[in-house]
Amino acid sequence: AQSVTQLGSHVSVSEGALVLLRCNYSSSVPPYLFWYVQYPNQGLQLLLKYTSAATLVKGINGFEAEFKKSETSFHLTKPSAHMSDAAEYFCAVSRRMGNTPLVFGKGTRLSVIA
Amino acid sequence: DVKVTQSSRYLVKRTGEKVFLECVQDMDHENMFWYRQDPGLGLRLIYFSYDVKMKEKGDIPEGYSVSREKKERFSLILESASTNQTSMYLCAVGAFSYNEQFFGPGTRLTVL
Repeated sequence: AQSVTQLGSHVSVSEGALVLLRCNYSSSVPPYLFWYVQYPNQGLQLLLKYTSAATLVKGINGFEAEFKKSETSFHLTKPSAHMSDAAEYFCAVSRRMGNTPLVFGKGTRLSVIA
Repeated sequence: DVKVTQSSRYLVKRTGEKVFLECVQDMDHENMFWYRQDPGLGLRLIYFSYDVKMKEKGDIPEGYSVSREKKERFSLILESASTNQTSMYLCAVGAFSYNEQFFGPGTRLTVL
């Protein structure tokens, strides 16, 4: 069965510092991987997705993630944090090929300190 | 992008009440999903549907049912609401042909 582990339920960075949010997955099939962001009192918005094309995936708002099969990881990074990046971030993996339900990690809350 | 609308942003109900949460999409996509979100637990799948009148149980279907009579609408039903169903409920929509789900704004349900 597919599963996702997000290391750190809360990450705090200074404005302008590197953002690194960690995600490890287990999957019995070639995975489709996603990062979503949730701002307070809103639904989830897709940041980026990996679907077996390039291993380095660029998303919105300056975020990117690298798929590393050998490490079963899909960590999310941004070179320079902005105050507006403060939100909750979820990593997810598809259960099967195709548009199937997602298995989500428990989320990481990102705080950005001025 | 797909527009996903949920019937209420906030809802307060009493224990034992029957509760309907509705989700409507504007893009004629086949797949619709209901998740619940709880602090520290992430999102958990309740039910999903691949087509009209089709439904499949997710990971936590107990205490819930669903209805999909029209392609654009997917309803989540709490037959007899209980306090442990106090949560944020998120509807998602996706097309079979690509791997992306679009989420509604969520309904924060409180059961007293």
